[in-house]
Amino acid sequence: DAGITQSPRHKVTETGTPVTLRCHQTENHRYMYWYRQDPGHGLRLIHYSYGVKDTDKGEVSDGYSVSRSKTEDFLLTLESATSSQTSVYFCAISEIGNTGELFFGEGSRLTVL
Amino acid sequence: GEDVEQSLFLSVREGDSSVINCTYTDSSSTYLYWYKQEPGAGLQLLTYIFSNMDMKQDQRLTVLLNKKDKHLSLRIADTQTGDSAIYFCAETPDRGSTLGRLYFGRGTQLTVWP
Repeated sequence: DAGITQSPRHKVTETGTPVTLRCHQTENHRYMYWYRQDPGHGLRLIHYSYGVKDTDKGEVSDGYSVSRSKTEDFLLTLESATSSQTSVYFCAISEIGNTGELFFGEGSRLTVL
Repeated sequence: GEDVEQSLFLSVREGDSSVINCTYTDSSSTYLYWYKQEPGAGLQLLTYIFSNMDMKQDQRLTVLLNKKDKHLSLRIADTQTGDSAIYFCAETPDRGSTLGRLYFGRGTQLTVWP
């Protein structure tokens, strides 16, 4: 299994509070991604990173920000959580030169009350 | 934008073959993938096919690609109860630096009855 660790794995918070999810990899892969998974929607890309300090928006980036200060860590921040951000969040990694496949973490389940 | 469609549910009896279908709209897709997700877990890559191939076989798995119709299928032979999971079709567009940025279907829940 790819060395990807997400934390926390489960979190319950209240509307309006800030939340940070962490993804840590030990594979030294260049690309890192944050997806959210919701029933009926599959996986949707929030943000991705193609190197340290290099990030870009995905399809559903509103309300989220990211940071990547080290190759191994990719942080997803919800500045002011809303109930619509209740979801399961997956981090994924990939490496250029491969066939593009993503390796996924175990997911972080976030509930916003 | 890219659009990947799959049926949401499939039920089969143990020992039968399962066929999960997927259609996509991006004609520039380079790689197409099948991922499996078991309850409470992340997605795991099952197999992939390059866009210039028609078929790929890997043990019990057969992937068929009809590029003209933009149709991808996954056949699982001799389906077992352990194959019960959600199966996601995904594709990546042919745009250099975005290789690895995948677009996923909504997933097909496969239920295998003993």
